[in-house]
Amino acid sequence: DTGVSQDPRHKITKRGQNVTFRCDPISEHNRLYWYRQTLGQGPEFLTYFQNEAQLEKSRLLSDRFSAERPKGSFSTLEIQRTEQGDSAMYLCASSLNHLTMNTEAFFGQGTRLTVV
Amino acid sequence: AQSVAQPEDQVNVAEGNPLTVKCTYSVSGNPYLFWYVQYPNRGLQFLLKYITGDNLVKGSYGFEAEFNKSQTSFHLKKPSALVSDSALYFCAVAGAGKSTFGDGTTLTVKP
Repeated sequence: DTGVSQDPRHKITKRGQNVTFRCDPISEHNRLYWYRQTLGQGPEFLTYFQNEAQLEKSRLLSDRFSAERPKGSFSTLEIQRTEQGDSAMYLCASSLNHLTMNTEAFFGQGTRLTVV
Repeated sequence: AQSVAQPEDQVNVAEGNPLTVKCTYSVSGNPYLFWYVQYPNRGLQFLLKYITGDNLVKGSYGFEAEFNKSQTSFHLKKPSALVSDSALYFCAVAGAGKSTFGDGTTLTVKP
């Protein structure tokens, strides 16, 4: 399977714990996005990378959230000191973009986080 | 800032009838517009896009969408709905960076 893969698929954690999610994009894609989705809502933008550079981070993202994409390959999203409000589906997507042109994104199946 | 509105939470159609799922957008500059579909327990799948060119774009599974610049709309259409088209549909708009998604429209096609 050469699609976007996310690990783990499900994560249950206690409030206050740290969690880390991994995303492996489609190999030739230079852009990688993280979104968060809750029931009844569309995906909400968190951050994105062009190769290894983090180009934009949502103002909704608190400093408890951090993302990396070392060497422009896989990416990790870490949430520190989790809160119940962090419970959501975390989606990763990748795309192949040229300069300022945007193209369609390919999504992984997501990581469902439950904070208890 | 860019935004998308999907005014209908739910659309119900009978199998074989035409369907329309509405989307309006707001963005600075030239818009990149997308439709995605989400089936239960599956990731979002790309359906079609408008980048430039013809206002009517065709995509996967017989879907098409019409770009209307004056009305800032990008409605999704299909001439003859199938029960298997029942799913959650998202419209998205992008500038040069991120895509912004609407809240989705649940399409139910009844036999």
